[in-house]
Amino acid sequence: DAGVIQSPRHEVTEMGQEVTLRCKPISGHNSLFWYRQTMMRGLELLIYFNNNVPIDDSGMPEDRFSAKMPNASFSTLKIQPSEPRDSAVYFCASSFQEQDEQFFGPGTRLTVL
Amino acid sequence: LAKTTQPISMDSYEGQEVNITCSHNNIATNDYITWYQQFPSQGPRFIIQGYKTKVTNEVASLFIPADRKSSTLSLPRVSLSDTAVYYCLVGEGSSNTGKLIFGQGTTLQVKP
Repeated sequence: DAGVIQSPRHEVTEMGQEVTLRCKPISGHNSLFWYRQTMMRGLELLIYFNNNVPIDDSGMPEDRFSAKMPNASFSTLKIQPSEPRDSAVYFCASSFQEQDEQFFGPGTRLTVL
Repeated sequence: LAKTTQPISMDSYEGQEVNITCSHNNIATNDYITWYQQFPSQGPRFIIQGYKTKVTNEVASLFIPADRKSSTLSLPRVSLSDTAVYYCLVGEGSSNTGKLIFGQGTTLQVKP
């Protein structure tokens, strides 16, 4: 298995632009998680899905952030409009069931100028 | 979710055994203890998980005393490639149910 796949690996954009991050979980996994990591705040859970349904989005910083999971093999995290403080590494992770070991992707390094 | 406290950083030398202790005074009855490892520019990776006493796998051992208010991750004979950040997490169920709360972690630096 290729593991969790994220794209793009790096994204540089200007303030105000829309950013879309993509994730393909491990096949057969039923839970998907989005995290954000910065030096100041560490690794934070933004939202997670179970069987394509959002379960907990309490970590989503504000309305500029949205996440979707239209099917079991694809999820997006969108930021619109983006701001410099959104600069971070965004990780996607998946697990077989919600309570199981999570497998993380390589991350997307986002820079908002 | 119980809060965890662990040292910010540790240094070691190749071939030594490294023990990283985590405090979780408010651990609940249903909580399990899980450790993740993160290398630079990579996502965290599961190392080991336990509920009580001792758990051992091919990578590490996890020691949990009877009161479960702390735990110790033991890495035998570390190498330079074990330099990473190690996170201790506590949560409900057979694993940290969905919501993983990562603290600052312990940055382990292994020197030659």
